[in-house]
Amino acid sequence: DVKVTQSSRYLVKRTGEKVFLECVQDMDHENMFWYRQDPGLGLRLIYFSYDVKMKEKGDIPEGYSVSREKKERFSLILESASTNQTSMYLCASSLRELAQGVYNEQFFGPGTRLTVL
Amino acid sequence: QKEVEQNSGPLSVPEGAIASLNCTYSDRGSQSFFWYRQYSGKSPELIMSIYSNGDKEDGRFTAQLNKASQYVSLLIRDSQPSDSATYLCAGGMILTGGGNKLTFGTGTQLKVEL
Repeated sequence: DVKVTQSSRYLVKRTGEKVFLECVQDMDHENMFWYRQDPGLGLRLIYFSYDVKMKEKGDIPEGYSVSREKKERFSLILESASTNQTSMYLCASSLRELAQGVYNEQFFGPGTRLTVL
Repeated sequence: QKEVEQNSGPLSVPEGAIASLNCTYSDRGSQSFFWYRQYSGKSPELIMSIYSNGDKEDGRFTAQLNKASQYVSLLIRDSQPSDSATYLCAGGMILTGGGNKLTFGTGTQLKVEL
């Protein structure tokens, strides 16, 4: 089974703090993703990476950065946390395309509920 | 403008009935579609994936795709109280580096009543 783990289930930080959220997958997946989930807004993509040291902006990258130094690990960084970054953060991973027209599903970690006071 | 639309519900069905969940998408470039189930406080888990027009069945679940109408649905037969959850529809676009970029709907809450 695919296993995606996240460093914390619950996290409380203060405004202005630098926050690191860690994600590790154990299935040698090339692609990794960071989402945030808010009531009424659904899942929104923050950043993704399709290879080590590669990163691409998602739909809402402002206020976030990422790091992927190893294939299995993808970190989300909040440089200066703000109250509007209080949310559930979900990491996901997937393989690249298996064959033409056959795309791989994303597997999610358990999530980190971040509260910024 | 949202690219994947779902009715937020709640959709209530009696135990043993068929639950029908619907989703529309606006981007004709979407090539793959996924249904995820999410229990309260938990992360999404994959239920079904579908890439071609028509029906795809897996146990009590049937996914239907109509690319001409830009419509995806999920049918759950013999609904059980354990099916009560939020169901997320997602459309996938090919990434330059390979794999999918998913756009999610906001989810439909399903309640299966005894």
